[in-house]
Amino acid sequence: DTAVSQTPKYLVTQMGNDKSIKCEQNLGHDTMYWYKQDSKKFLKIMFSYNNKELIINETVPNRFSPKSPDKAHLNLHINSLELGDSAVYFCASSQDQGISPLHFGNGTRLTVT
Amino acid sequence: TQLLEQSPQFLSIQEGENLTVYCNSSSVFSSLQWYRQEPGEGPVLLVTVVTGGEVKKLKRLTFQFGDARKDSSLHITAAQPGDTGLYLCAGADRGSTLGRLYFGRGTQLTVWP
Repeated sequence: DTAVSQTPKYLVTQMGNDKSIKCEQNLGHDTMYWYKQDSKKFLKIMFSYNNKELIINETVPNRFSPKSPDKAHLNLHINSLELGDSAVYFCASSQDQGISPLHFGNGTRLTVT
Repeated sequence: TQLLEQSPQFLSIQEGENLTVYCNSSSVFSSLQWYRQEPGEGPVLLVTVVTGGEVKKLKRLTFQFGDARKDSSLHITAAQPGDTGLYLCAGADRGSTLGRLYFGRGTQLTVWP
C-alpha cells in the first residue's frame, strides 16, 4: 500500500545512454513532481504536473522529458545521459497545486559512469 | 537561487541533549514546511506552519514560524538516536499558486546513544 512508488531504486548506466524512471501514486492527488537531490542533499524541483498538465518546468536540459499518461503516473525519460546527471531523483505528489504537503517516493539513485 | 539558509549544516550530539535548527530567509513565505529524511528514503513531512509567530509541538519537537514569516526554527528536547536524519525546511512562495516550494540545504543531525 505504498503511497508514492518509483522504479527503479538504483540505476547505473553509461554516458550517452537513454533511461526512464517511473512513478505512481495511489493517494488520489492531483499534482505530481520530479525533484533532483544532489550529492550535497540539495533538493531542487524539476517539473510539476497538475492533472496531466505541465505547470512547472524549471531550467532543466531538454534531455529530460517528463510524461504523465494519467494523474496517477509521472515518468521521467532522460536522453544522452551525462556524468552530471548522477543524483537521486525523487517523485512526489500533493493534493493540489497550491502549498499542500508533498508525499515523496523513496528515490531513484542514478549513477552515470 | 538559494532562498532558504539552514544552520547548522551538521550537528552531532549525545542522546538526551537539546538542540535547535534554524531556517532563515530574506524572503517572506506564505507557509513553511519541515521534513525529515532518513537514508535511502524520501523526505517525510513533520509539520506546516502558516501564521507568523505560530508555534507547533510534535512530541519533543517544537516548531516556530517567525513573526515576519521569513524564518523558522526547530527545537528538539532530549534528543534520541531515532531523531537522526536530515531535517529540511521548505518555504512556499508568497502568492504562488503553482506549488513551488523552495528547500533549504538541510541540517544533518546525528544523535549518539
